[in-house]
This record gives sequence, structure tokens and C-alpha cells, in this order.
Amino acid sequence: GESVGLHLPTLSVQEGDNSIINCAYSNSASDYFIWYKQESGKGPQFIIDIRSNMDKRQGQRVTVLLNKTVKHLSLQIAATQPGDSAVYFCALNRLDTGRRALTFGSGTRLQVQP
Amino acid sequence: DAGVTQSPTHLIKTRGQQVTLRCSPISGHKSVSWYQQVLGQGPQFIFQYYEKEERGRGNFPDRFSARQFPNYSSELNVNALLLGDSALYLCASSLDRMQETQYFGPGTRLLVL
Repeated sequence: GESVGLHLPTLSVQEGDNSIINCAYSNSASDYFIWYKQESGKGPQFIIDIRSNMDKRQGQRVTVLLNKTVKHLSLQIAATQPGDSAVYFCALNRLDTGRRALTFGSGTRLQVQP
Repeated sequence: DAGVTQSPTHLIKTRGQQVTLRCSPISGHKSVSWYQQVLGQGPQFIFQYYEKEERGRGNFPDRFSARQFPNYSSELNVNALLLGDSALYLCASSLDRMQETQYFGPGTRLLVL
């Protein structure tokens, strides 16, 4: 089967520090990985994605690292701000009988302390 | 541009009732997927629809059904509601069924009493 796990249910950081959220996956057939941010009462918001033929991708203040050897994905947020407080999900997207179905982890809650 | 919209935002039903949830995808997007998110967990895939046809189904009972209309909007129906169906139901749209990035709506929060 396929599973997605997260190393920590809650991560607390000081404002201005860098945050690192980790995710482990089990299915080597996964070919696309996405990080979503979900604020309370809202739907998941796309942050950044990475394909399996890459090992690093950078966005605005965010970097995603993919290590296919150990099946590990991480999201790095630079200079964390109070507005970054939310639950972060990693999701896998794979070709499965012609459809694209996202498999989500259980989420990591990021708390930014002022 | 408007994002994915869903209605209603909240809904309260009793066990055994039926519910219909609605979703309008981002303009130009032809694929709609439905997810169920139980409190404290990540979303779980229910259905994907593309060009009015079901293209994928997750591990959900037949009480769950959906359809897609010519304008690419979609409805999710759940019959014979159970307490365990209480969740946030999310709709996600993408350009086509093979396009990886899915954009989510705000969800419909369903409470079954």
C-alpha cells in the first residue's frame, strides 16, 4: 500500500527563525509531490511542488527537498512569520489507472511564536 | 479570477438523511476531485470527474456518488448519512485529469447528528 507520514505533529518556532517540516512516504511509484498549507476553516492552499526527477525546488521563502533514496520530503520556510501558522500537508500524486489522486499525510501544525 | 467555490459552507443533517454538496471549478478547469477531511487528519480521495465521467474512486461506500455537469461543475451526494460522515468535504479542480496540481475550495463542513 501507500502511506505518507510526518515526523512531528506540531512544530513551534520563533518568528524570524527558519522552519523545517518533514514527510516520509512509502511508495516509490510516486512521481509528483506537493506541499499544501491549511489555515483554520479553510481549504488546503497550494504552496510548492516538485517532480520526482528533481531533488530541490525553491519558491518565495520556501524550499522543497526530495530525497528519493530514503523516500523523504521536506519543506523549509525561511524567516517564519506569524502568518505562516497553519497545518502543513505533504501530498503525493501518482499515475494510477489513468487518474491523479492525491494521497495526503496527516499534517504538521506549525506554531509561530512572536 | 475566482477560485474553486463550494456550497453550502456548513450543513447539519441527521442520520439516515441524504445530502448534496456543490462545487464550481476554476474557470477553464475541466477536472474536479472530491476529498473528505475528518477532523485532525489529511484529506482522503473520494472521486475524480473529468468530462462528465468518473475517472477514479477512492475507498468509499456506494452511499457516496457524484456527477459532473457540462459546465464542469460537480455535485457530491451522500445517502443514508452516518455519524462518521461528519467531515469537511473538499472539492479540488485541475486543468485536466492528468494535470498534477489540484486547487482546493474552502470546503463544506457537514455535521451529522
